[in-house]
Amino acid sequence: AQKVTQTQTSISVMEKTTVTMDCVYETRDSSYFLFWYKQTASGEIVFLIRQDSYKKENATEGHYSLNFQKPKSSIGLIITATQIEDSAVYFCAMREITGNTGKLIFGLGTTLQVQP
Amino acid sequence: EAAVTQSPRSKVAVTGGKVTLSCHQTNNHDYMYWYRQDTGHGLRLIHYSYVADSTEKGDIPDGYKASRPSQENFSLILELASLSQTAVYFCASSDAWGRSDYTFGSGTRLLVI
Repeated sequence: AQKVTQTQTSISVMEKTTVTMDCVYETRDSSYFLFWYKQTASGEIVFLIRQDSYKKENATEGHYSLNFQKPKSSIGLIITATQIEDSAVYFCAMREITGNTGKLIFGLGTTLQVQP
Repeated sequence: EAAVTQSPRSKVAVTGGKVTLSCHQTNNHDYMYWYRQDTGHGLRLIHYSYVADSTEKGDIPDGYKASRPSQENFSLILELASLSQTAVYFCASSDAWGRSDYTFGSGTRLLVI
C-alpha cells in the first residue's frame, strides 16, 4: 500500500542556515511523482517543488532543492539560506501512476521554525 | 488569475444538521478533491472527481457525500453532521497529468457543536 512518512515532527533552525526535512515513501509503482507543499500560518497550502521518479537529477526551485534517493525510497527537502518567512508546516506527498486517480497521499508534515 | 475558491471560510453547525461546503475553480482542471485536515492526521482524501456528474470515494468517505455538477464546481455534503467531523476542509484541483500539482483552496474551518 502507498504510504508517506515524515519522521521529524518539528525542526528549529537559525536564520540563514540550511535545513533538510526527511520523507520516505512506500509504493509498488515503478513510476510516481513526489511533491513538497508548504502550509503557512494562515492555513494556505502552496506547491513548492516536484520530483519525477524516472529522473535521476535532483529537482531545484529557487532556494528549495530535493535529495532524491530512489533505492532508499527517500525524498528530502533542502532549504538553503532560510528566512523567517520559511517558518511553516511542510508536507511531503506522492502520486502513483496506477489507476490514474490523480490523488496525492500526504505525510503528516514537519513544522519548521526559523529563529532570528 | 486561476484559483480555487471555497465557501464558507468557516462555519458552526449543529449536530445532526446538514452542511454543504462549496468549491469553485477557474483553473480549467479536470480533477477536483476534498481533503480534511486534523491535528495528527495530516491531510486525508474524502472524495474526488475527474469529470462532471461523477464522483469517487477517497480514503475516508463515510459520513460524506460529494457532488460535481460542472467542471468548475465541487461540493462536499454532510447530511447528518457529527462532532467527529469538526476539522478544516480543503478543496483542490489539478490537471489530469500525473505530474500536475494541486492548487488548494483556502480551507473551510468547520465546528460541529
